Amino acid sequence: ETGVTQTPRHLVMGMTNKKSLKCEQHLGHNAMYWYKQSAKKPLELMFVYSLEERVENNSVPSRFSPECPNSSHLFLHLHTLQPEDSALYLCASSQGAVQGGDYGYTFGSGTRLTVV
Amino acid sequence: GENVEQHPSTLSVQEGDSAVIKCTYSDSASNYFPWYKQELGKGPQLIIDIRSNVGEKKDQRIAVTLNKTAKHFSLHITETQPEDSAVYFCAASGQTGANNLFFGTGTRLTVIP
Repeated sequence: ETGVTQTPRHLVMGMTNKKSLKCEQHLGHNAMYWYKQSAKKPLELMFVYSLEERVENNSVPSRFSPECPNSSHLFLHLHTLQPEDSALYLCASSQGAVQGGDYGYTFGSGTRLTVV
Repeated sequence: GENVEQHPSTLSVQEGDSAVIKCTYSDSASNYFPWYKQELGKGPQLIIDIRSNVGEKKDQRIAVTLNKTAKHFSLHITETQPEDSAVYFCAASGQTGANNLFFGTGTRLTVIP
């Protein structure tokens, strides 16, 4: 198991449901990220948090709502999703999130989301 | 923004042979280039990285080369083993203020015993 833990591992939800994805890191990192991984597409950056403040929202639809209550926890709240939102959602953390920073990410194992 | 292209999308090699994966990037200001390995059911894991002030870096059977003039970088795996079978992603740092990485589309490497 890596230093970044994501729950649940699998989630099936209807289009009218509300659910949340959870990410937790115990690496002492101060930046956390949400990525979406779809088949045959590059990893898509969704949100970036640095020191618990959102520094990037990469034009993500409002049906995805992130929350970062502290530097160790990150949530992604989901509501009224569409079938095309089905994907693997990956959380990552890094040591720094400053301009020009070059710290490698540590990824979690992801949540496999299926919207029916 | 940064655009990273990765080739090939699939690669099969015989055990013991070498494997090479190539990536190009568009933003000349990018200065950090990590490589990730993703095994089935797991998240990507950092295997090697290189910074723009270095042309080559090696770690046992894995090496990465960077050509900043041509804006391309490559992953080289020598003496491949079945456990090297996975999806490999290259990435390049962005310039959008945070520590953003832009990823290639991935290469599925299969090492045939």
